[in-house]
Amino acid sequence: NAGVTQTPKFQVLKTGQSMTLQCAQDMNHNSMYWYRQDPGMGLRLIYYSASEGTTDKGEVPNGYNVSRLNKREFSLRLESAAPSQTSVYFCASSEQGNQPQHFGDGTRLSIL
Amino acid sequence: SQQGEEDPQALSIQEGENATMNCSYKTSINNLQWYRQNSGRGLVHLILIRSNEREKHSGRLRVTLDTSKKSSSLLITASRAADTASYFCATDAKGQGAQKLVFGQGTRLTINP
Repeated sequence: NAGVTQTPKFQVLKTGQSMTLQCAQDMNHNSMYWYRQDPGMGLRLIYYSASEGTTDKGEVPNGYNVSRLNKREFSLRLESAAPSQTSVYFCASSEQGNQPQHFGDGTRLSIL
Repeated sequence: SQQGEEDPQALSIQEGENATMNCSYKTSINNLQWYRQNSGRGLVHLILIRSNEREKHSGRLRVTLDTSKKSSSLLITASRAADTASYFCATDAKGQGAQKLVFGQGTRLTINP
């Protein structure tokens, strides 16, 4: 029972490079989320997908794009990475929007 | 913006003692959740309390909610070394959409053996 799986676990990029963070859940959840966590901070919502086929902006969407590929998968793309995007990125899912969220173990991203 | 603020930012106690963490928030909410994060891991859901509830229990955890003061507390009784972690409250503000959880900055709890 994997829950929420994120790949990769670690990544180092140069400024201006692009990359896609992958997330998959095996709990048949409708809603999926992407957060970032900066040192000493709580999580901030980047984008979310309330259900398959929909995506919406969260608190800090600038510089990111998302794709809800199917019910299981929700990817986060950085088109032109900037040092300010150095962070730990967490994907989460929930059965519905007002239900507990289940988190992956994060992707640690450094942008030089 | 951070809706929830935890207090204290850090707490260190002896094993077996009780630990209390507090969370304050700014706007009316539908529900409030508490999560635990072990070092280097993702968050794990602990308890969800709805705005019409005042207290909820789960094992050694007790959560209270005072909507008039816009505050919540998490009590961990008979603490164990394995309770060492960061604890976060998260709220979904009324009118903002149920998916839009806003997290506080967390309380780092250390249980000393």
